[in-house]
Amino acid sequence: NAGVMQNPRHLVRRRGQEARLRCSPMKGHSHVYWYRQLPEEGLKFMVYLQKENIIDESGMPKERFSAEFPKEGPSILRIQQVVRGDSAAYFCASSQGLSQHFGDGTRLSIL
Amino acid sequence: GQQLNQSPQSMFIQEGEDVSMNCTSSSIFNTWLWYKQDPGEGPVLLIALYKAGELTSNGRLTAQFGITRKDSFLNISASIPSDVGIYFCAGQLIGDTDKLIFGTGTRLQVFP
Repeated sequence: NAGVMQNPRHLVRRRGQEARLRCSPMKGHSHVYWYRQLPEEGLKFMVYLQKENIIDESGMPKERFSAEFPKEGPSILRIQQVVRGDSAAYFCASSQGLSQHFGDGTRLSIL
Repeated sequence: GQQLNQSPQSMFIQEGEDVSMNCTSSSIFNTWLWYKQDPGEGPVLLIALYKAGELTSNGRLTAQFGITRKDSFLNISASIPSDVGIYFCAGQLIGDTDKLIFGTGTRLQVFP
């Protein structure tokens, strides 16, 4: 979907485990955004990163969630000690300053 | 948090009919985007609008950036079965970072 690659597509975790979601932006894009979508709802912004920097994390929960976009490699959204309420689809988007293009998401299910 | 009011919530139309949906906000946006999302996939960008009053077309789709910068509409002409899906508006608030605020979505069903 528009060249943004997310993996895994589906992730199942038990409560208390860690979840790591990966996003490789479109070639040439240095801006990465993470969004979360619950069933029947729109996407909600979580965090905006440029290479090695967090630009806006106003949508990130204060605890258990973190994100990085290292100089080399994909962006990672990390959720520690997952709870049932973390079940959702997590989407990554990338841009080069203008329109954001989305990946197909990671569907996280918590048992 | 900030949100966009999108309407209608759902539409059930016959193939060949025209469709119109819109988004409104109490805040001012400097960019409006329209996306379509199919089940199990990510949103796909349909049209991007960057200037107040801008009217842009993409095939059978036409979208406008409202002159007040607080609203936008999307029209689909001569609908076909593959238009089925959920349409989202999204905007970037003026003076904010590039994060997108999404609407609640319009679910479109097209009957042959």
